[in-house]
Amino acid sequence: GAVVSQHPSRVICKSGTSVKIECRSLDFQATTMFWYRQFPKQSLMLMATSNEGSKATYEQGVEKDKFLINHASLTLSTLTVTSAHPEDSSFYICSPWGRGGYNEQFFGPGTRLTVL
Amino acid sequence: KNEVEQSPQNLTAQEGEFITINCSYSVGISALHWLQQHPGGGIVSLFMLSSGKKKHGRLIATINIQEKHSSLHITASHPRDSAVYICAAYNNNDMRFGAGTRLTVKP
Repeated sequence: GAVVSQHPSRVICKSGTSVKIECRSLDFQATTMFWYRQFPKQSLMLMATSNEGSKATYEQGVEKDKFLINHASLTLSTLTVTSAHPEDSSFYICSPWGRGGYNEQFFGPGTRLTVL
Repeated sequence: KNEVEQSPQNLTAQEGEFITINCSYSVGISALHWLQQHPGGGIVSLFMLSSGKKKHGRLIATINIQEKHSSLHITASHPRDSAVYICAAYNNNDMRFGAGTRLTVKP
């Protein structure tokens, strides 16, 4: 299957700081990137969908100015949590979809964010 | 009512048992995914199916489009199968997730 990496895998930060999470699809071109958030013992919740080179579409209730998504290339998308607060502590997962002959959904290994 | 419902929420089995996890959905789909999430959080896509049945090793997934229902079966379960299994309804770049089924297989 395809290789998807996320960095960092785990981050602890102080309230008010910004955190950038990188998602890379290493062996296929991600024309679309899904960003999910998962709170403990809950299912995945879609935050936003981005297509390469265009602005992301955010789900209802997700602040676009707080969660900045950049999908500048077919192999890299970033999610920046700006002015993070403790309630932003969660598990963030990217999921690329695109060209490369794969007929399944792939997921990054996730980034666990803890905001103190 | 959630658009994607899974049952059971939690399932404990003895090693070797046959496992069935059910998923019902109320939305239109182009495909249904079964995902496995390990305790560390990593997610693996097990199956994507839009009709019939797929088999991979000890895992079998079936879908009935008319009844809007899918099942994931695990034969000869093993403790390493312990994970959360999630079904997700996919349509036009939109994916709706079930709440997940937490499976624990005891030796």
